[in-house]
Amino acid sequence: AQKITQTQPGMFVQEKEAVTLDCTYDTSDQSYGLFWYKQPSSGEMIFLIYQGSYDEQNATEGRYSLNFQKARKSANLVISASQLGDSAMYFCAMREGRGGSNYKLTFGKGTLLTVNP
Amino acid sequence: ETGVTQTPRHLVMGMTNKKSLKCEQHLGHNAMYWYKQSAKKPLELMFVYNFKEQTENNSVPSRFSPECPNSSHLFLHLHTLQPEDSALYLCASSQDIGRAAGELFFGEGSRLTVL
Repeated sequence: AQKITQTQPGMFVQEKEAVTLDCTYDTSDQSYGLFWYKQPSSGEMIFLIYQGSYDEQNATEGRYSLNFQKARKSANLVISASQLGDSAMYFCAMREGRGGSNYKLTFGKGTLLTVNP
Repeated sequence: ETGVTQTPRHLVMGMTNKKSLKCEQHLGHNAMYWYKQSAKKPLELMFVYNFKEQTENNSVPSRFSPECPNSSHLFLHLHTLQPEDSALYLCASSQDIGRAAGELFFGEGSRLTVL
């Protein structure tokens, strides 16, 4: 079973509008972390935002916010005031557990966002 | 200098060739990773190194051979690859402390084409 599910292979949004990219996750751990990455056509994965499972507030980073609904196991990314440069692949990822000397992230299949002028 | 540097950015090789991908991180992190990104698939973790020691081999075929001489450098040696190995190979590093522990810092990737 997939641990990270991104149900939207592609999304379109008009410039300056807000868009929500969906992510649901599956874990039995109480402690975990959720990440969103952006991958432009250049290939580099760029970290956008992080939400810890014990964080009571939704994470925000500039125009990015994470709509964290723990009971529903969802961690949707909201991009406000979309810009043309936001066109890229967006990946949701999860780190499970705590402790140990290294962490592994499990990634979803991604959502291709296209911002139209 | 960017945090994580990968070379070469593009590589075309025949199935009988031997080549290597190189990754260097300038962030002082203790963990380094190789991920494979194929079209329409999630990123696949291949190898993890922590303080130069391999801590994860995710059932990767032996035609991929990693090497980590120190915490800043990571190589992926390639030998007798198959066309289905064509993909973007991403190197990443992380530090296992702090609030967002496990946050991966990625390089720009090496685009491999096997003919």
